[in-house]
This record gives sequence, structure tokens and C-alpha cells, in this order.
Amino acid sequence: GENVEQHPSTLSVQEGDSAVIKCTYSDSASNYFPWYKQELGKRPQLIIDIRSNVGEKKDQRIAVTLNKTAKHFSLHITETQPEDSAVYFCAAQTTGNQFYFGTGTSLTVIP
Amino acid sequence: EAGVAQSPRYKIIEKRQSVAFWCNPISGHATLYWYQQILGQGPKLLIQFQNNGVVDDSQLPKDRFSAERLKGVDSTLKIQPAKLEDSAVYLCASSRRGLTYNEQFFGPGTRLTVL
Repeated sequence: GENVEQHPSTLSVQEGDSAVIKCTYSDSASNYFPWYKQELGKRPQLIIDIRSNVGEKKDQRIAVTLNKTAKHFSLHITETQPEDSAVYFCAAQTTGNQFYFGTGTSLTVIP
Repeated sequence: EAGVAQSPRYKIIEKRQSVAFWCNPISGHATLYWYQQILGQGPKLLIQFQNNGVVDDSQLPKDRFSAERLKGVDSTLKIQPAKLEDSAVYLCASSRRGLTYNEQFFGPGTRLTVL
């Protein structure tokens, strides 16, 4: 089955700086990669996603890049704000339409 | 549109007791997922339904966990008997179709504590 690894597990940045979270996956047939933000005690919320036929996608301060050859994808948050503080999860969707999640990155933005 | 509904929101039981969780997906969503999220970890897929059929239950501990989705709408997840390690948040999610690229929407989850 698919295995998704995520790094780092914790990340602290100063407000206004950039944050980068990286994930790798094992199943080369996986073809959809969403990123979720989960605040304490709340449900995961989709913040951005990328399909396997696209190398990069951007939405305001958030961007995701995908390297299919290396089987890794990354989340980039620029101009971080305190409200960006949360746990972020990457996921990979297999051809069987199952989602496999990374272990999460706890992001703290220091004002 | 109304979101994914789950109940109860919290449940505390003793080990070896039984417990059931309920999920009502977004109307018209054919695919329903149950996840287990242990504190500090990412969601782990337990079972996936397409309408009322099981697509994947490879990670469901079938000796104690069971799930059904009668009539292809609501779903229940049961644990019998519960163990301490079952303490987790159980998340239900749904998506429109079991096709690639379909966003899944999560419910608020049920936090289970097994004492």
C-alpha cells in the first residue's frame, strides 16, 4: 500500500517568514495530493491540492509543488501570519481512490 | 449545502465495552470514508464505501470493528469490544464520487476515550 512520510514534525517561524513542509510517497501510481489544515479540536480542512499532471499550483500565499520523478511534494506558505498556526497534513490518493495521510506538521507562527 | 454530520461528539467507555458511531454524509455524496486519528498522528483510513458497497477495508481490525452503510446514505461504525488503544478521534468524510481528484469533506469527528 501507499506510504506517505512528512517532515518536519514541528516548525516554528517568525511572522512574515516563509514555511515549507515536505512529503514523500511510495506509490508511483498515486495521482492526487491534497493538503489539509487542522486546528486544535477541529476537522481537517482542505487548503490546496495538486493533480499528478501539474507541477505547481498557487493560491495567494499558499503554493504546492510536485516532483513525480522523485515522488515528493511540498507545501509553501509565504508571509506567514499567526492564524496560519495549526497542524498541516499532506495526503496521497491512490488509483483505488483511498487517501493516505502523512503524520502531520505542527506549525507555529511567532508574532 | 449541509456538511457531514457525526454523533456523538464525545464518548467515554471502559475497555471491553461496545460503542457505535453514526455518520450522515453530504447529500448526494456516493463515497464515504471512516478514519481513525490517534492523537499526534494523521488520519488512518479504516473503511471506504461506494454507495452501500465496501471498496476498501484492508486496515479495519475486523475482529473488533465493523461498519455498514445501509441504503447507501448513513453509516455506522462499531467497536466491540473496545481496547485502550482504540482511544482516538473517529472522522467520517464523504465525496461526490469515487473518482480521482474529488475533494473529501470531513465531519467534526467523535472523540472516543477508552478507560
